[in-house]
Amino acid sequence: DGGITQSPKYLFRKEGQNVTLSCEQNLNHDAMYWYRQDPGQGLRLIYYSQIVNDFQKGDIAEGYSVSREKKESFPLTVTSAQKNPTAFYLCASSPRGAEAFFGQGTRLTVV
Amino acid sequence: DQQVKQNSPSLSVQEGRISILNCDYTNSMFDYFLWYKKYPAEGPTFLISISSIKDKNEDGRFTVFLNKSAKHLSLHIVPSQPGDSAVYFCAATSGAGSYQLTFGKGTKLSVIP
Repeated sequence: DGGITQSPKYLFRKEGQNVTLSCEQNLNHDAMYWYRQDPGQGLRLIYYSQIVNDFQKGDIAEGYSVSREKKESFPLTVTSAQKNPTAFYLCASSPRGAEAFFGQGTRLTVV
Repeated sequence: DQQVKQNSPSLSVQEGRISILNCDYTNSMFDYFLWYKKYPAEGPTFLISISSIKDKNEDGRFTVFLNKSAKHLSLHIVPSQPGDSAVYFCAATSGAGSYQLTFGKGTKLSVIP
C-alpha cells in the first residue's frame, strides 16, 4: 500500500523541549512538505523539499528545522524557539509539486 | 495578507441539492487552483483542480468553475450527499509544477439528510 505515514498521531511535549515528528512516504515522490493547521485557519507551509539534501523555508519556518537525507523521509523538529507549537501538523508529498498527497497528521500539544 | 480567501466559514445544504463553495484570490500570479476535502483529525485529500487556461473542470459530481477576471473560483457538488460533509480547502499556486500551495481557511460543509 502506497502512502504517507506520520507518527505519532498524538504527541505531548513539555515547554522548552525539542520534539521530532516523523514523515515517511513510499510513493517515490520527489517533493515533500510540512504544513501546520491551527483551529479556523488554513494550512500554512513550514518547509518543503524538492530533492534529497535540499529544502526551502516556507511562510512560517521560524522555530522549526528539517532534514532530507533520504527520498522517503522528511522529519520535522519543533524546537524550543517555536513560541506556539501546539497545532496539527501535516506532512505531504507530490510528484510534481501541485497535487500533494497528505498524511494523517500529528497533533502536538505542549504541556 | 490573505491571498486565498474563503469567506464562508460554514455552509449547510439539504441532501440531494447543490452545494456551492466559493473562493477568491488576490495574487495575479496564481494560475493553478485545487480543492481539497478534509475530515476531522485526518489529512486533506485532493478533489479536483483547474488550470487558468480553462474555465471549467468536471469530475463526477464535482465541478470547479474559474472566473479569472473576477479572481474567483467555485466548487459545485451535485447532488450533495451526507458523506460530503467535511471542510473544503481552496488552494492556489503559480504553475502546476510549483512547490508552494497557498491555502484558504476552509469552508465547513454540512449535508443534512
